[in-house]
Amino acid sequence: NAGVTQTPKFQVLKTGQSMTLQCAQDMNHNSMYWYRQDPGMGLRLIYYSASEGTTDKGEVPNGYNVSRLNKREFSLRLESAAPSQTSVYFCASSVNGGTEAFFGQGTRLTVV
Amino acid sequence: QKEVEQDPGPLSVPEGAIVSLNCTYSNSAFQYFMWYRQYSRKGPELLMYTYSSGNKEDGRFTAQVDKSSKYISLFIRDSQPSDSATYLCAYPNSGYALNFGKGTSLLVTP
Repeated sequence: NAGVTQTPKFQVLKTGQSMTLQCAQDMNHNSMYWYRQDPGMGLRLIYYSASEGTTDKGEVPNGYNVSRLNKREFSLRLESAAPSQTSVYFCASSVNGGTEAFFGQGTRLTVV
Repeated sequence: QKEVEQDPGPLSVPEGAIVSLNCTYSNSAFQYFMWYRQYSRKGPELLMYTYSSGNKEDGRFTAQVDKSSKYISLFIRDSQPSDSATYLCAYPNSGYALNFGKGTSLLVTP
């Protein structure tokens, strides 16, 4: 019973490098989300996918892109990493938008 | 002004104390709220779910909403060191995602 699985758990990037954070859920949820969590800022929504085939911007989308690959998988891409993107990234899923969200364990990203 | 405000703490209490964690909100249209608990270096997990009226109790935890003052509270009775975590209030944002308060850090000392 894995729930929401994120990879990798830790990553260090140099400024300007790109990478993709992977997320998969096995609960047959329709909606998936990417949040970032920074000290003093709480959880902020980057992008969400209300259902397979749709994606929309959240509160802080700049510098990120997403792909809802299928119902299970939702990836987050940083095309050109910046130090301001140093954060802990959480993927979450829910049955439908705005209902109970289940979170992964997070990816700790440092951009140097 | 954010729609939900939460005192970041930290809040430190002795074991066995009653803890009160609070959020204030500005949008009267919110229908329900959630409390999440987040242990250090872990993802948030749902603790309680409450509609925008009255109380809900689950073991040592009670969630309360006061619509007249737009206040959301989480009470923890007989607090334990294992309750040490960050507590986040959450609400649905236009039905497509959850928005979160900034979280209150709680430390329960033995």
